[in-house]
Amino acid sequence: AQTVTQSQPEMSVQEAETVTLSCTYDTSENNYYLFWYKQPPSRQMILVIRQEAYKQQNATENRFSVNFQKAAKSFSLKISDSQLGDTAMYFCAFNNAGNMLTFGGGTRLMVKP
Amino acid sequence: EAGVAQSPRYKIIEKRQSVAFWCNPISGHATLYWYQQILGQGPKLLIQFQNNGVVDDSQLPKDRFSAERLKGVDSTLKIQPAKLEDSAVYLCASSSQSGRAFDEQFFGPGTRLTVL
Repeated sequence: AQTVTQSQPEMSVQEAETVTLSCTYDTSENNYYLFWYKQPPSRQMILVIRQEAYKQQNATENRFSVNFQKAAKSFSLKISDSQLGDTAMYFCAFNNAGNMLTFGGGTRLMVKP
Repeated sequence: EAGVAQSPRYKIIEKRQSVAFWCNPISGHATLYWYQQILGQGPKLLIQFQNNGVVDDSQLPKDRFSAERLKGVDSTLKIQPAKLEDSAVYLCASSSQSGRAFDEQFFGPGTRLTVL
């Protein structure tokens, strides 16, 4: 069974600064997919960024980028130029072909003005 | 386009009562998911539908939970009888393709269930 671990229950960052959220996972599969989802307070969960394991290049989406270390089974999310609207729960998630999406326990991020 | 709709948004029931949740996915989305999110935890998949067929229900407590997706569109999730530990937010999500692992899932606002 796959497991996803987010070791930082809560983090805070000053507006306009950079923050990195950690995620590690455990799997024996070689082909899989990794995601970061954002759940703002009282709002729907939305996809932030995703990465295919067979791609060595790290994914980027505007201010969001990942550091994917396949050998270390690590998938961290970097948020640059943090904005107040980035305040949310962030969930790392794992999926391999034909299997279910497994979420980590989440990291609560607070962006301070 | 309209997002994933869920109702009710909140429900409070006594233990051993029954409850049902409804989900309307994004139009044209073939794959529908139900998740249980206990406070302070990440969502856990309960069941995945592809059109009106079940793809994965390995984590659904089948002695008390049931789900259906008639005509491959709307879906209902039922709990009968409810237990205290069923208190959680129940999230519905849908995706546009054939449930491929890389597909983005679009989530609804959830139904917050409190069992007293």
